[in-house]
Amino acid sequence: GNSVTQMEGPVTLSEEAFLTINCTYTATGYPSLFWYVQYPGEGLQLLLKATKADDKGSNKGFEATYRKETTSFHLEKGSVQVSDSAVYFCALSDRVDYKLSFGAGTTVTVRA
Amino acid sequence: EPEVTQTPSHQVTQMGQEVILRCVPISNHLYFYWYRQILGQKVEFLVSFYNNEISEKSEIFDDQFSVERPDGSNFTLKIRSTKLEDSAMYFCASSGDRESYGYTFGSGTRLTVV
Repeated sequence: GNSVTQMEGPVTLSEEAFLTINCTYTATGYPSLFWYVQYPGEGLQLLLKATKADDKGSNKGFEATYRKETTSFHLEKGSVQVSDSAVYFCALSDRVDYKLSFGAGTTVTVRA
Repeated sequence: EPEVTQTPSHQVTQMGQEVILRCVPISNHLYFYWYRQILGQKVEFLVSFYNNEISEKSEIFDDQFSVERPDGSNFTLKIRSTKLEDSAMYFCASSGDRESYGYTFGSGTRLTVV
């Protein structure tokens, strides 16, 4: 079956620090990969996506590259802000049933 | 930007009562989903719906759950007899095509069963 494993948190950083959250996946087919973000008290928002190998998704300074050879989709941001404090979820959607499988989520806190 | 709208944002209900969670998906989307997130846990798939029928459901989605698209715009999740363990955030989502460039999620309904 499909599964997503992401780095456990919580992660606490200072402003302008480099953030990386590791994500690896197992899928029976050739999935699309996503990062979702959940700000405090809010719902899930799509942060970025990649649909094929070597694609790089990017948004709001965050990036992730679809690495088929290592089955990974690590999230990175070069300089975080306090407003980036949130829970980040890695997810995949395969081309068999198209439902999303989520990782456990990583709580990130950025301190001023 | 088009949104998926969920109502209510928070619902408190007594154990054993029926609840209906409502969602208005994006108007030209064809695929509809419910997910839930028990506090502090992973977001879990419940059910997918296409062409007026369930296309897939998880083992969580037992006979106490049902979904409906009654009028072409709303998409509802009904829990017939709520249990304490149904307390969770319920997210509705829709997508435009199965090649899945990502879903659009609503902001969720927090259901508290007391």
